[in-house]
Formats: sequence, structure tokens, C-alpha cells
Amino acid sequence: AQSVTQPDIHITVSEGASLELRCNYSYGATPYLFWYVQSPGQGLQLLLKYFSGDTLVQGIKGFEAEFKRSQSSFNLRKPSVHWSDAAEYFCAVAPSGNTGKLIFGQGTTLQVKP
Amino acid sequence: KAGVTQTPRYLIKTRGQQVTLSCSPISGHRSVSWYQQTPGQGLQFLFEYFSETQRNKGNFPGRFSGRQFSNSRSEMNVSTLELGDSALYLCASSSGQGVARGYTFGSGTRLTVV
Repeated sequence: AQSVTQPDIHITVSEGASLELRCNYSYGATPYLFWYVQSPGQGLQLLLKYFSGDTLVQGIKGFEAEFKRSQSSFNLRKPSVHWSDAAEYFCAVAPSGNTGKLIFGQGTTLQVKP
Repeated sequence: KAGVTQTPRYLIKTRGQQVTLSCSPISGHRSVSWYQQTPGQGLQFLFEYFSETQRNKGNFPGRFSGRQFSNSRSEMNVSTLELGDSALYLCASSSGQGVARGYTFGSGTRLTVV
């Protein structure tokens, strides 16, 4: 069965520091991969997605993610974190593009220290 | 352009009652999916609808049901509510079938069962 693992439940970084959130997936083929962000009391906002092609994907708000097939990973990065980036981040996978079913990881809560 | 609208935002129900949640997708979007978010289980897929047809269903008991109308608006119903049904219910819409064109999420309906 497909699964998504986000090893870090909670991460704290200082404002201005770099950030990397880890995501590992379990799936036979290359799935459709996503990163979403959720602020308290809000829905999910899509940061970026990967379907195929260039393994380094650029998203909104200065985020990027790199797909590594050999490691079954899709880690999210940002070179300099802002206080407004504090939120919960979810990695998700879909087996194909024509399904509406996303399988989410458990999420990583990001705290930003001033 | 209006986003995905979910009503009501908050709801308190008594165990054993039933509840209906509503989702109005972005204008022109024909695909709607529903997710349940709880602290313990995380984000779990409930249903996917496209052009009034249920295309996919998650692993939830029959108490959970849904439908989509000709104007793409969707409702989900939970009968015989249990305490464990307390959750944030999120709706997402897309212009095409599946996740390939990206899902836009609403802010959710917070259901509390007492």
C-alpha cells in the first residue's frame, strides 16, 4: 500500500535560517508528489507539485523541493525562513493524475524563532 | 474569483444525530473531493466526485455518504454520529478529473460531536 512518511513531527528554526522538511514515500512507480501548507484554522494551500521532468521543483513563497527516485524522497527546502512560514506542512502522494485521492503524511509543524 | 466555500464553518452535534456539510467549488470546477482531518489519524480521503458521479471512496463506514449536484456543489452526510467523528472536514475542487490540475482546498467545517 502507498504511504507517506514525514519523519519530523516538529521543527524549530531561527528566522533567516535555511529549512529542509523531509518526506519519504512508498510506491512502486513514480507517483504524483505534492507539498501543502496549513495555517491554524485554515485549509490547505498547495506549495508545489511534481509529476515528471526536472527533479528540482520551484513553488510559491520561495519554496522548492527535490525528487530523488533512488531515495524515494521529496524534501522541501527554503533558503531563508520568515516568521510567516510558521505553519504545518504536509507531503502528499497520488498514484496518478486522474485520481482525486491524495495520501498525506502526518505533517511537520514548523516553529520560527525570532 | 471566489474560492472553495464550505458551510457551516463550525458545527456542534450530539452523538446519534446526523449532519450534512456543504461545499461549493470554484466556479467552473467539476471535481470535488472530501477529506477528514483529525489529530490522531491525520488527513484521510473520504470521497471524490466528478460530474455528479462518485469516482473514488475512502475506507470509511457506510455512515459517511456524499453526493454532487448538477451545479458541482457537493454535500456530505454523516449519520448516527459518534464522538470519533469530531474532525475538520475539508473539501477540495479541481477543474479537471483528479489531482493533475491541482486541488484548491476550502477552509473546512469543524464538526464537534458531544
